[in-house]
Parts: sequence; C-alpha cells; structure tokens
Amino acid sequence: GENVEQHPSTLSVQEGDSAVIKCTYSDSASNYFPWYKQELGKGPQLIIDIRSNVGEKKDQRIAVTLNKTAKHFSLHITETQPEDSAVYFCAASPPNSGGYQKVTFGIGTKLQVIP
Amino acid sequence: GAVVSQHPSRVICKSGTSVKIECRSLDFQATTMFWYRQFPKQSLMLMATSNEGSKATYEQGVEKDKFLINHASLTLSTLTVTSAHPEDSSFYICSARGRKALSNSPLHFGNGTRLTVT
Repeated sequence: GENVEQHPSTLSVQEGDSAVIKCTYSDSASNYFPWYKQELGKGPQLIIDIRSNVGEKKDQRIAVTLNKTAKHFSLHITETQPEDSAVYFCAASPPNSGGYQKVTFGIGTKLQVIP
Repeated sequence: GAVVSQHPSRVICKSGTSVKIECRSLDFQATTMFWYRQFPKQSLMLMATSNEGSKATYEQGVEKDKFLINHASLTLSTLTVTSAHPEDSSFYICSARGRKALSNSPLHFGNGTRLTVT
C-alpha cells in the first residue's frame, strides 16, 4: 500500500517568513495529492490540492509543487500570519478503485507562526 | 458548499456503555463516508469506509463488532462505539464524498468528536 512520509514534524517561523513542508510517497500510481489544515479541536480542512498532470499550483499565499519522478510534493506558505498556525497534513490517493479512493495521510506538521 | 456536520462534538461516557456519533452531509449526497480515529499529535487513521446501503469495509485491525457503522441514507452515517473502554477514548472524525464526485475529488471532513470513556 501507499506510504506517505512528511517532514518536519514541527516548524516555527517568524511572521512574514515562508514555511515549507515536504512529503514523499511510495506508490507511483498515486495521482492526487491534497493538503489539509487542522486547527485545534477541529476536523481537517482542504487548503489546496494537486493532480499528477500538474507540476505546480498556487492559490494566493499557498503553493504546492509535485515532482512525480522523485515522488515528492511540497507545500509552500509565503508571508505567514499567526492564523496560519495549525497542523498541516499531506496526503496521497491512487486512482479511483471500486468507487472510492483510499487516502493515505502523512503524520502531520505542527506549524507555529511567531508574531 | 460541501458541509459535513458531525455530532456530538464531545461526549463523556462510562465504561461499558455505547456511544453513537452522527455524520451528516448537509448540502450534498454522500455516497461514501469514511471514519477516522486520531490520537493526540498523530495522523488520521482510517477505520472504515461505508457506502450508502451496503456494509462497511473495515481496515485491518479494526473490530467491526465494536465499531458499528450504519450508512442508511445518502446524508447520514453513524458510528457506534459499543461497550466502550478507556482505551477507546480518542478523537473520531468522519469525512464524505459526493455522489457526482470526480475521480480523486477532495474529502470533506466533519469537525470531529472527542470521546472520553471514564
């Protein structure tokens, strides 16, 4: 099955600096890579996703890059703000199988943005 | 759109009792719902997948008789923790995917249920 590794596990940055979180996956068949943000006591919320036919995607201060050959993908947050502080999870999903896809999550990165 | 409501947000129960957690898709029909368990400072562990009108598929190591899942309608799935024990204390999260979802479309998560078994 798929194995997703994520690092770092914790990350502290000064407000206004950039934050980068990296993930690798093992199953070359995976073709969908979402990123989720989880605030304390809440469920994960999708912040950005990328499919395997795209190398980079950007949405305001958030960008994600994908290197299919190396099987790794990264989340980039620029101009960080205190409200960006949360746990971020990367995930990988294979093509549709039996009507649904099993999403495998990374272990999570706790991001702290210091004012 | 794509709102998933989970209830209750917190529940405390005594050891040996059963607890039911509800997961509802508010503005879409969810043909597939997923139940996760999350331990403190850890990732989400998939427990089971339920498709409307059929039996749930449980992940290896998850006791189907202990974690009963019912997905009786396109907008509601329930997870019942039977004969709860302190080690069942955890954060349980559901997610849902819509009927017309494209292959590999996003999962929409509920806000989770904090279960404490005393």
